[in-house]
Amino acid sequence: EIVLTQSPATLSLSPGQRATLSCRASQRISSYLAWYQQKPGQAPRLLIYDASNRATGIPARFSGSGSGTDWTLTISSLEPEDFAVYYCQQRSNWPLTFGGGTKVELK
Amino acid sequence: EVQLLESGGGLVQPGGSLRLSCAASGFTFSYYALSWVRQAPGKGLEWVAAISGSGNSTYYTDSVRGRFTISRDKSKNTLSLQMNSLRAEDTAVYYCAKFRDFFLFLDYWGQGTLVTVSS
Repeated sequence: EIVLTQSPATLSLSPGQRATLSCRASQRISSYLAWYQQKPGQAPRLLIYDASNRATGIPARFSGSGSGTDWTLTISSLEPEDFAVYYCQQRSNWPLTFGGGTKVELK
Repeated sequence: EVQLLESGGGLVQPGGSLRLSCAASGFTFSYYALSWVRQAPGKGLEWVAAISGSGNSTYYTDSVRGRFTISRDKSKNTLSLQMNSLRAEDTAVYYCAKFRDFFLFLDYWGQGTLVTVSS
C-alpha cells in the first residue's frame, strides 16, 4: 500500500498569502495524483487531477506540481473561501489511498 | 447535472448488517466506475470499495474485504454497499463518488450518509 504523508498538518495563513501544501508518497508514483478540498459538513471536491490539471470550475489560483514521491498543491493568493482541509489521493496502485490532510486555517 | 444521493445509513449493533444505496443521475451510468469512501468522525478520508462501469470488476480495502459487497443496478441507476459483520470502527459518514476516468480520480461526490455501529 502506498502511504501518502501530508505536511504540515495545519497551515495558519491570512487572506492574500500563498499556501504551499506537501504530499509525500512512500514510493515513487506516476502522475496519478489528485487533490481535494473539504469544508466542514460538506463532501470533498476535486481540485486537481493528474497532478497538475485543474478540475472543471476550479480557479487558476490553485495549481499542482511534483514528481516521483514529492507533490505540491499551491494556492497563489488565499481567498476567504479557501480555508478548508485539503487531501491528496493516489491511484498509481491499488488500494486507492488518501493522505491524512492539511488544514488551512485563518491566522 | 450529476447528482449522487446516498441513503440507508443509521444506527446498527456490532455484528449487524446494513445496506447503503446511492441514486445516480445526470450521466451515463454504465460508462463510469463508482466508489464508496468513508470518513470517521473527525478523521480523514478512507477509500472503501470500487466497481467498474460494467460491474464486472470490484476492488476493496483490506479491512472490509469479505464483509462488504459493492454492486450496481443499471436498470435503476443505483450503486449499493452491503455491509455485514459491522464493527465499531466502521462508524463513519459513507460517501458515494463517481470516477472521472476509469479508476483514477473522483470528480463527483454525494453528501454522505452516517453509519453508526454501537450497542
